[in-house]
Amino acid sequence: KAGVTQTPRYLIKTRGQQVTLSCSPISGHRSVSWYQQTPGQGLQFLFEYFSETQRNKGNFPGRFSGRQFSNSRSEMNVSTLELGDSALYLCASSLVQHTDTQYFGPGTRLTVL
Amino acid sequence: TQLLEQSPQFLSIQEGENLTVYCNSSSVFSSLQWYRQEPGEGPVLLVTVVTGGEVKKLKRLTFQFGDARKDSSLHITAAQPGDTGLYLCAGAHYQLIWGAGTKLIIKP
Repeated sequence: KAGVTQTPRYLIKTRGQQVTLSCSPISGHRSVSWYQQTPGQGLQFLFEYFSETQRNKGNFPGRFSGRQFSNSRSEMNVSTLELGDSALYLCASSLVQHTDTQYFGPGTRLTVL
Repeated sequence: TQLLEQSPQFLSIQEGENLTVYCNSSSVFSSLQWYRQEPGEGPVLLVTVVTGGEVKKLKRLTFQFGDARKDSSLHITAAQPGDTGLYLCAGAHYQLIWGAGTKLIIKP
C-alpha cells in the first residue's frame, strides 16, 4: 500500500504571497490532518478533514485554510505569508478517527523570505 | 487547555547507556501513542498504549502507561546510534494532544 504523499517537498515564497500544499492519503483512509512543525513550537495541529468537512481545528489564524476532496485528497492554503510561517508542514492520514494512528507524509518544507 | 509535557527536551548520550523519556499530563487519555521522527521524514508510530498500567516492549524499547492514564514513559536499554531521532508522544482525548518532543542523539 502506498504511503502518504505530499507535494511539493520544498517551496520558497516571499512575504505576502500565498501557497497551496497537497496531500494524498493512504488508500482507504478517510481522515486527513495537517500539522505545522517548527524547532521552537514543535508539532502544532492545524486542522482535520473527514468526508470533505473540517472536523477539528487547531489554534491558527484564518490565513490557514484547507479542504478535502471526495477522493480524500486534501489541500491546505496559506494566504498572505509571513516570515513566521516558515516551517515543515506535515500531512497525516488515519482510518476514521483523528485519534487513530497517524500515518505521516514526508512533509513540505516551506521557506518564506 | 490540555497539555502534555514531555521531558527531557534534549538528550545526548553514549552508545550503550540507558535513558527514559517522560510524558505527563493532568488530563486522562483514552490511549497514548509514541512516534519517532528521523530527519527529512514524518513521524512513524512506535506503539500505542491503551490500558492503565500497560507495559509494551519493542526490542530494547519499553513503553509504560500510568495507572491513571495521565502519564507515560519510554525507556531505552543499551541505546544504539540507530535510536537517534525525535521522539514524540501524543495523548488521545477528543483530539490528539502532542508533546513537544525529545531530541535524542546517541553517540558511537
